[in-house]
Amino acid sequence: LAKTTQPISMDSYEGQEVNITCSHNNIATNDYITWYQQFPSQGPRFIIQGYKTKVTNEVASLFIPADRKSSTLSLPRVSLSDTAVYYCLVGPFYGQNFVFGPGTRLSVLP
Amino acid sequence: NAGVTQTPKFRVLKTGQSMTLLCAQDMNHEYMYWYRQDPGMGLRLIHYSVGEGTTAKGEVPDGYNVSRLKKQNFLLGLESAAPSQTSVYFCASWTGADQPQHFGDGTRLSIL
Repeated sequence: LAKTTQPISMDSYEGQEVNITCSHNNIATNDYITWYQQFPSQGPRFIIQGYKTKVTNEVASLFIPADRKSSTLSLPRVSLSDTAVYYCLVGPFYGQNFVFGPGTRLSVLP
Repeated sequence: NAGVTQTPKFRVLKTGQSMTLLCAQDMNHEYMYWYRQDPGMGLRLIHYSVGEGTTAKGEVPDGYNVSRLKKQNFLLGLESAAPSQTSVYFCASWTGADQPQHFGDGTRLSIL
């Protein structure tokens, strides 16, 4: 299973764009990259998933370079409610278990 | 549509007591997982199941047992609770392929 490395914490201000980068140097050919968001006292919630290039949905974008050894979650115009822990996971298409790292604690300030 | 439901939400045990945590999903997912999350840490996989009647060990299986007698339910048991098992326990289910895992809201377990 590919190990991931993320910054432990980040601070931002409301209205700014936030980019969180995850390193996964030993990602395998059949691995997907998935990002989850977790608020206190809640289970993780899916944000976005991708395999290569760029993926965009209504809440975030995911940028994956050609070598796939890293990925960047981009949150446009964050608000106070985006304060949470963000986890990057790398796992196979039909993987049977997943490894969560410590995540990135994002604090959005007014 | 309930998704993943965990029972109970809170529990306090004394050292040496036993208990079972229940996870139920209504999405017909094949895969189910039990994780624990300690303060300030990420989730660590305890056990998982790839289908009814199957179970497998994850990263931190010691002190826990699981059963998957029905596809929709995944039980996590503590035979003799220890203070080191004080944690928040999350259950998740997954259909496989390029779909995300779905998590319950957790069970907060304190062992005195």
